[in-house]
Amino acid sequence: ETGVTQTPRHLVMGMTNKKSLKCEQHLGHNAMYWYKQSAKKPLELMFVYSLEERVENNSVPSRFSPECPNSSHLFLHLHTLQPEDSALYLCASSPYDGTSYNEQFFGPGTRLTVL
Amino acid sequence: DQQVKQNSPSLSVQEGRISILNCDYTNSMFDYFLWYKKYPAEGPTFLISISSIKDKNEDGRFTVFLNKSAKHLSLHIVPSQPGDSAVYFCAAVPPSGAQKLVFGQGTRLTINP
Repeated sequence: ETGVTQTPRHLVMGMTNKKSLKCEQHLGHNAMYWYKQSAKKPLELMFVYSLEERVENNSVPSRFSPECPNSSHLFLHLHTLQPEDSALYLCASSPYDGTSYNEQFFGPGTRLTVL
Repeated sequence: DQQVKQNSPSLSVQEGRISILNCDYTNSMFDYFLWYKKYPAEGPTFLISISSIKDKNEDGRFTVFLNKSAKHLSLHIVPSQPGDSAVYFCAAVPPSGAQKLVFGQGTRLTINP
C-alpha cells in the first residue's frame, strides 16, 4: 500500500466523452503529479502541483485539464481525447521543500482506452 | 530527444545469479539518479538512488553504480530472486527542477527458477 489511490483503475471512453480521473494521497505530502505511460515509452511528466498551484505542464494538449482542489486530491479532466491518448495514467505525490529532490510515491494508475 | 535511455527492453536471469540493468543518460548536469521497480497493476516504487557526487550506493542485495565519464549507471541485484521479476525504471533529477523526474523506458526483468 503506497498511500496513493487512483480511480477508476480502468476506463474506456469514446472520443466525444468527458471523463475525470481521480487521485488521492494519504501521506501528508504537498506536491502531486500526473504522469503518462504509453506502450514502450518512458513515463512522461504531464503536470506538477506544489502547494496546490500548478508549476509545470510540459506542453500537454488542452484536452487534458488538471485540477488540484487541496493538497490531498488531484483530478485529470479529459475531453475530446484521441485514440493515441490511450495509456496508463499515473498519479504520484511527494514532500517538497522548494529545492531538493524527495522520493515520489506512485498510485497504481488508471488504464485509459480511447475508442 | 530522450535524455535517459534503457536500451534493453528485457532481461532474463537465473535465480541466484546476478542481474545487471543498465541505463545511459545524455545530460551531464543531472545531479541525482534513481531506480524504480514496477509490478503489474501497481505503481512504480522507489528502490535505490545515487547522488552524482558518488559512484556507488549499496542497499542489501541492490547496488547502483554511477560512471559519470561514460554517463552510465547500472543496477546490480545479487542474488536474484523470483520476487525481483518486474519492470525496472531508471530516472534522473535535472538541476532545473527537483520534481521533474526524467525516466527511461524500462527494462523487464524475469528471474527464472
